Amino acid sequence: AQSVAQPEDQVNVAEGNPLTVKCTYSVSGNPYLFWYVQYPNRGLQFLLKYITGDNLVKGSYGFEAEFNKSQTSFHLKKPSALVSDSALYFCAVRDISSYIPTFGRGTSLIVHP
Amino acid sequence: DAGVTQSPTHLIKTRGQQVTLRCSPKSGHDTVSWYQQALGQGPQFIFQYYEEEERQRGNFPDRFSGHQFPNYSSELNVNALLLGDSALYLCASSLTSNEQYFGPGTRLTVT
Repeated sequence: AQSVAQPEDQVNVAEGNPLTVKCTYSVSGNPYLFWYVQYPNRGLQFLLKYITGDNLVKGSYGFEAEFNKSQTSFHLKKPSALVSDSALYFCAVRDISSYIPTFGRGTSLIVHP
Repeated sequence: DAGVTQSPTHLIKTRGQQVTLRCSPKSGHDTVSWYQQALGQGPQFIFQYYEEEERQRGNFPDRFSGHQFPNYSSELNVNALLLGDSALYLCASSLTSNEQYFGPGTRLTVT
């Protein structure tokens, strides 16, 4: 079985400050990990993924994520937040033996001007 | 290059009715997955189609069925609608089951 936990329902950060959105996962084998963003009344947009290789993954819009195998975490980060980053963020995990990702409940990111 | 498209955008049905939702995948993608997203929740996997066959299915009743056509487009059918079926239905396409590209969704309201 595979599962994802996003421990924070909401993250608040001031514009220009660094942001972190947390994600931990559980899979029986090696994980494929993903981050998606969802704006109101829209579908999900792919941000970045970890399949193999470097633990630090760079994605769209200046976001990056760090894969930590020992802590089974894949936290999303950005050095300087923008008000336009305010949205709902979903972490997803897929065991390499499965075709299907499991999504977390989502974290609402609010960036204050 | 067109992304994933879904129709209709919004739909209102009454309990017991049947509904069909449609999805066209991103150009070049051969795999289509359907998700149900209830308010305040993450997407829940319904099923995935590849080469016109249902490849994997989530924990949804048989009232939920689907189809994939030779051009890779797909339909989701829900029979005997319940109030609890009200949700945003998302279609996602992919190639080789890596990152998925989502459509804007169909908002289904069951009254």
